Amino acid sequence: AQSVTQPDIHITVSEGASLELRCNYSYGATPYLFWYVQSPGQGLQLLLKYFSGDTLVQGIKGFEAEFKRSQSSFNLRKPSVHWSDAAEYFCAVGALAGGTSYGKLTFGQGTILTVHP
Amino acid sequence: DTGVSQDPRHKITKRGQNVTFRCDPISEHNRLYWYRQTLGQGPEFLTYFQNEAQLEKSRLLSDRFSAERPKGSFSTLEIQRTEQGDSAMYLCASSLDRGSYEQYFGPGTRLTVT
Repeated sequence: AQSVTQPDIHITVSEGASLELRCNYSYGATPYLFWYVQSPGQGLQLLLKYFSGDTLVQGIKGFEAEFKRSQSSFNLRKPSVHWSDAAEYFCAVGALAGGTSYGKLTFGQGTILTVHP
Repeated sequence: DTGVSQDPRHKITKRGQNVTFRCDPISEHNRLYWYRQTLGQGPEFLTYFQNEAQLEKSRLLSDRFSAERPKGSFSTLEIQRTEQGDSAMYLCASSLDRGSYEQYFGPGTRLTVT
């Protein structure tokens, strides 16, 4: 069964500092990976995705993530955090078979980001 | 396009009552997904449709839960005989059935069972 681990439940950074949120996945098939952000009481907004090709992917709001197959990781980074980035971040993995998606995503537990002024 | 919409946004019901939620996907998306999210957890997959066909159901989806997508457009999720453990945020998402399959989520329906 596929699984996603986000080791950090809560991270606090100062505004302007760099950020890295960790994500490790476990899946036997070919994965595709996403990062989503969720503000309190809201749905999830897609930040970025890795499907194939370049392992360093760029997303919205200045975020990027790097897929490392050897480490089964897909960590999210941002060079300079803004106060508006405070939210909860979810890593998710889906699976491909023969180039077709199985459909469902498996999510990690989430990382809450607090930004200090 | 206004994105994925869900109705209602909030629902408070008494234990034992039936509830129904609606999801309208992005118009050109032929896949539609339901997830459930409890406090402090990531979303958990419940079921998904490709057009009208329900292709997968999670073991989380007990016999009290039923989902439909009769015309391949909007979908409904019904919970019969609600229990307090059903209290959660119910999220709907949609995607194309090709490309990178990225799923776009609606705002969710928050269910509280008293």
